[in-house]
This record gives sequence, C-alpha cells and structure tokens, in this order.
Amino acid sequence: QSALTQPASVSGSPGQSITISCTGTSSDVGGYNYVSWYQQHPGKAPKVIIYDVNNRPSGVSNRFSGSKSGNTASLAISGLQAEDEADYYCSSYTSSNTYVFGTGTKVTVL
Amino acid sequence: QVQLQESGPGLVKPSGTLSLSCAVSDGSIRTTNWWSWVRQPPGGGLEWIGQISHGGDTDYSPSLKSRVSISIDQSKNQFSLKLNSVTAADTAVYFCARNSGRSIGYWGQGTLVTVSS
Repeated sequence: QSALTQPASVSGSPGQSITISCTGTSSDVGGYNYVSWYQQHPGKAPKVIIYDVNNRPSGVSNRFSGSKSGNTASLAISGLQAEDEADYYCSSYTSSNTYVFGTGTKVTVL
Repeated sequence: QVQLQESGPGLVKPSGTLSLSCAVSDGSIRTTNWWSWVRQPPGGGLEWIGQISHGGDTDYSPSLKSRVSISIDQSKNQFSLKLNSVTAADTAVYFCARNSGRSIGYWGQGTLVTVSS
C-alpha cells in the first residue's frame, strides 16, 4: 500500500483559512469513512484532531473540520493561529484491515 | 486517561533484532482495544507498523510483514514489537499507541532507535 498523498506545505496568515488535501484510492480513503487527521508539533507525539472523516475529539478546537469526496479527504483550519503551526498527517483504514498514513503537510503561519 | 511508555535498546546493530515494549498505565489492555506501533524516521513522516487486539489478533503493514511481530502480555500490562533483520532504514522514533475505533487516540512519547554498528 502506498502512502496517501498530501501537499508538502501549506501556509496562511493569522485569521485566514487553509485546507489540506489527502488523496488515496478506493481501497482506503474512498472505500471507508475512517479517515483521521493528526497534528504533530516538533519533538512531540502526534495528536488526533479529526476521526471518522469529520468528528472532533473532545477538547479539539472547532476551527478544525474534516470532509471527504471520493478518494480525497480534506482538513480545513479556520481562523489560523500561531499555535496551528505544525505538521499534519492524514490516515485511513484500508481494505486489508491495516492503516496507511499520508505523506504529511507542514503548515506555516506567516 | 491511559498513559503509554515505550522502552528498549536505543541502539541496534545491522541485521539484528529491534525489540521494544510498551507499558500501559491502566487495565485497558485487558478490555476491547487494539494497540498499534507507528514509527517516524528522522525528519520523515509517520509509518504504521501494525496492531494487536487484546485477544492477540494481529495485522501488519504489508511492507514490514515479513520482518515484524507484535505480541501482548496482559499480565504485565504491556505489548511488544520485534523487527528483525534491521538496516539503517529502520532508524526511527517508534511510538506505541492505543487505537480509538479506527483512529489512534492515545500515543506514547516515542523512543528513538538507531541502527548502527
């Protein structure tokens, strides 16, 4: 299974909105509503911010939202803040009962 | 909430076996949960290695399946990872984690394992 495809970097100014895409296949992203998104700050463990395509765990800001269309999932961050500067990874359950991560996206707050 | 802590050698020789354990702070290892290992090479992205159920069922990444084994010891509140025939490409931070449904809800802090002679 190949890693899901994400843009290497996305940037935005404080207060703006950005979107990160995550493209897979019908065997992973397109086949199941089991896409998760993780935020990782340098030197830290990842933290889940979206699960099952569009659900936020308790305590995660509602500035983060997820969606999916076909084989592509997306993470939107609204009202961009300095603390949002981090690496973001998508992940999907697959038809082999395994998981695959995306290539990762570095978000820079200008 | 549950805490996870990885432990094991930080240095492994090429062609050797990488062995790590993950201590689980509460009794959830005996309930209906799946437990995962994920790794991240220096400066690189996340790679899912595999998972094990509380009952011992396993699933592995196709790319690592021939070299990896995950086991669980409920009596010790821990699960373990073995990766054999390691090379420099296996140098990474290894995370243990607890799945939450079809996502990974809880992560250990990670431990760096370097493969070098």
